[in-house]
Amino acid sequence: QLRLQQSGPGLVKPSETLSLTCTVAGESINHRFYYWAWVRQPPGKGLEWIGNIHFGGTTNYNPSLKSRVSISVDASKNQFSLNLSSVTAADTAVYYCARHEGHLSIPDPWGQGTMVTVSS
Amino acid sequence: DIQMTQSPSSLTASVGDRVTITCRASQVIRGDLAWYQQKPGKAPKRLIYVVSYLESGVPSRFSGSGSGTDFTLTISSLQPEDSATYYCLQHNDYPYTFGQGTKLEIK
Repeated sequence: QLRLQQSGPGLVKPSETLSLTCTVAGESINHRFYYWAWVRQPPGKGLEWIGNIHFGGTTNYNPSLKSRVSISVDASKNQFSLNLSSVTAADTAVYYCARHEGHLSIPDPWGQGTMVTVSS
Repeated sequence: DIQMTQSPSSLTASVGDRVTITCRASQVIRGDLAWYQQKPGKAPKRLIYVVSYLESGVPSRFSGSGSGTDFTLTISSLQPEDSATYYCLQHNDYPYTFGQGTKLEIK
């Protein structure tokens, strides 16, 4: 059964880069159909899709974040990662990783979530 | 971007009530619509996909309907454990977009 385990710091300083990793267990990240995604949720607010990546390198990003976001895959570790640069307090949120079963399919399952606070 | 307008934003109902939540897309999204349930401190849980297909293990009191731009999530007989926030999601095109959420409380 697929499980997604998230890791990364819970506190990031303004203007720095937020970096999170999602380790995939129970499935190969190199699956030909799967896309691997990040979604975030500011405290008390709704869900925002950040972007996804296919192991072959294809990425899709939310235009609202595209200039600052990068998602990458490390197949040797069965992991994928999120980097969000030049963070501000508005980037404070719970960040979730998730799997898409294919191009334009829905995210499921999800990781446990990581609360990231942007503060000096 | 495709905008998803979800209503109501909050709802209070009694056990046994029939509850309806709606989502309207800013353009036709065919059947590329899912519903999620989220409880405090937890990741969203998929309830319904492709408008009306229930995820395995989801009680049959949940149902989804709609087409084109207008979609509905219905809970036929509300139970205490249904207290949660519900989100619709369109996955017809990137970027995926969620509705604003409906917070459902039980009287």
